[in-house]
Amino acid sequence: SAVISQKPSRDICQRGTSLTIQCQVDSQVTMMFWYRQQPGQSLTLIATANQGSEATYESGFVIDKFPISRPNLTFSTLTVSNMSPEDSSIYLCSGTISGNEQFFGPGTRLTVL
Amino acid sequence: EDQVTQSPEALRLQEGESSSLNCSYTVSGLRGLFWYRQDPGKGPEFLFTLYSAGEEKEKERLKATLTKKESFLHITAPKPEDSATYLCAVPLMNRDDKIIFGKGTRLHILP
Repeated sequence: SAVISQKPSRDICQRGTSLTIQCQVDSQVTMMFWYRQQPGQSLTLIATANQGSEATYESGFVIDKFPISRPNLTFSTLTVSNMSPEDSSIYLCSGTISGNEQFFGPGTRLTVL
Repeated sequence: EDQVTQSPEALRLQEGESSSLNCSYTVSGLRGLFWYRQDPGKGPEFLFTLYSAGEEKEKERLKATLTKKESFLHITAPKPEDSATYLCAVPLMNRDDKIIFGKGTRLHILP
């Protein structure tokens, strides 16, 4: 398994601002992902973070709104840009080591006022 | 359409009262089924992977089983600390990276 940490664990932001969430893994992972989980809902995949190249976004998510970086095999960032209250959610990163099992970080709880 | 459906949505049990959670899927060419536990305010914690019909995995009071159409998470003599949301997920057939999650079962064990 992999131990995944995220910073910050929570934040309260004003609308129109941006927040960058960091995800650090304690070992090299083959793939990294970013999810959003709204209250009482299941997980929705935002994008696959690709090392050294542009992320692969799911339908409904765009790079201008959720720019992602992955400079190496153990680190990734997700930025939530020009935030609105609808962006209030828990943001989770995950990674795979081998196979398809994903290991998750503790999440970042974002509240936008 | 690939889909994962979990039932029931919520379940309240008395401590020691065994039960089962269901996860049915319509993904063709199953390449694994995953069970996770998620506590409030935390990320999902990986529990099990099942790959083929008839396979079973156990961890403490939990046992996961798999058929060709569904998986069950059996909880034997649960304790209040087993209270959590249990999620199942499967990989998509035509995507090496993406897994889809069910909506989860919220389990509450009363002392």
